[in-house]
Amino acid sequence: AQTVTQSQPEMSVQEAETVTLSCTYDTSENNYYLFWYKQPPSRQMILVIRQEAYKQQNATENRFSVNFQKAAKSFSLKISDSQLGDTAMYFCASIDSWGKLQFGAGTQVVVTP
Amino acid sequence: GAVVSQHPSRVICKSGTSVKIECRSLDFQATTMFWYRQFPKQSLMLMATSNEGSKATYEQGVEKDKFLINHASLTLSTLTVTSAHPEDSSFYICSAREGGVSGGYTFGSGTRLTVV
Repeated sequence: AQTVTQSQPEMSVQEAETVTLSCTYDTSENNYYLFWYKQPPSRQMILVIRQEAYKQQNATENRFSVNFQKAAKSFSLKISDSQLGDTAMYFCASIDSWGKLQFGAGTQVVVTP
Repeated sequence: GAVVSQHPSRVICKSGTSVKIECRSLDFQATTMFWYRQFPKQSLMLMATSNEGSKATYEQGVEKDKFLINHASLTLSTLTVTSAHPEDSSFYICSAREGGVSGGYTFGSGTRLTVV
């Protein structure tokens, strides 16, 4: 079974600073996709960034970037220049062989002024 | 971008009654939709996969007769919580996949169900 592990329940960061969220996964697939989703207090799930496993280049979306280490099965998310609006729950996810999203437990990010 | 509409956003019902939640893909066709349940400060738990024109596939431990799923068209899936009890109170979220796997998954805004 595919598993996604997020070991940081909560992270606090000051505005304009950088925070890195860790995620590890386990899969037997050769090609797969990884995602980071953001869930703010409204509880709307928002796609932050996606990574295709066969692409070695790390994905980047504005202030959000990932460090994808395929051999280590690690997929961390870096939030640069943190803003108050970044306060949210962040979920790492992967797609299993059935096309279902498997989520990690989540990391609560709190951005403080 | 892809939009998924979910209604109602909140619903309160009495124990023993049934509640229907709708999930619509507004600007794309979704042959597959997914239903999740989320408890406070926890992750999303996949309940079932809804397939257009065929029976839904339920995850282990999810009661098929309690959580009825219908996916009658390429843009609409419904979840009906039958004979609701207080323990069914939760946040329910649907999602749909646009195109292939690389298209990503778009989520509805969720439904907060309270059974009194």
